[in-house]
Amino acid sequence: QKEVEQNSGPLSVPEGAIASLNCTYSDRVSQSFFWYRQYSGKSPELIMSIYSNGDKEDGRFTAQLNKASQYVSLLIRDSQPSDSATYLCAVKRRKDAGGTSYGKLTFGQGTILTVHP
Amino acid sequence: EPEVTQTPSHQVTQMGQEVILRCVPISNHLYFYWYRQILGQKVEFLVSFYNNEISEKSEIFDDQFSVERPDGSNFTLKIRSTKLEDSAMYFCASSGAGGRTQYFGPGTRLTVL
Repeated sequence: QKEVEQNSGPLSVPEGAIASLNCTYSDRVSQSFFWYRQYSGKSPELIMSIYSNGDKEDGRFTAQLNKASQYVSLLIRDSQPSDSATYLCAVKRRKDAGGTSYGKLTFGQGTILTVHP
Repeated sequence: EPEVTQTPSHQVTQMGQEVILRCVPISNHLYFYWYRQILGQKVEFLVSFYNNEISEKSEIFDDQFSVERPDGSNFTLKIRSTKLEDSAMYFCASSGAGGRTQYFGPGTRLTVL
């Protein structure tokens, strides 16, 4: 089973629509969840982080986390052609009781999003 | 806005040669990381570094790899004897106190011939 799983897409939405991106993870001790955007040939750029169950909104972006279902999603409202990119879901384990920081991010394969005018 | 920088942007080398990839993390950050991304594949963790020592490494990070923080600003990844399969984008990242959010540099494209 893949540790972090995303639908590779491509996901195509019209300009102005809502794009919905999904991610599931297998490690139950995961605690921190991140969405990165990656344009072709570029580095991952942080969009959102979420640590608690529920929704977190930042501008046109909303991240949703459900730890019981091991599921995290990203909604992009009013999608623009400039949002066309690969969206990476990344997961980090919690610190252990001894205080060791598990800094490793585990990435999914990414979902290619295309927003057409 | 502070950012992670990496040099060179592109490195071409012959198989068996040593390469050093350089990174300057964000100045007040404490945690440093290297990741790689082979073309068309996912981003993979290599190593994390904190308090002048490796805190975690992946199976990819074998004896051919090493990291160093030679001074107060640079963070380097050395590959001793490059293989064809080391061809990839290498990303440096850093995070501040608490180590929660990682910010990535622009990457170094390594091509091994």
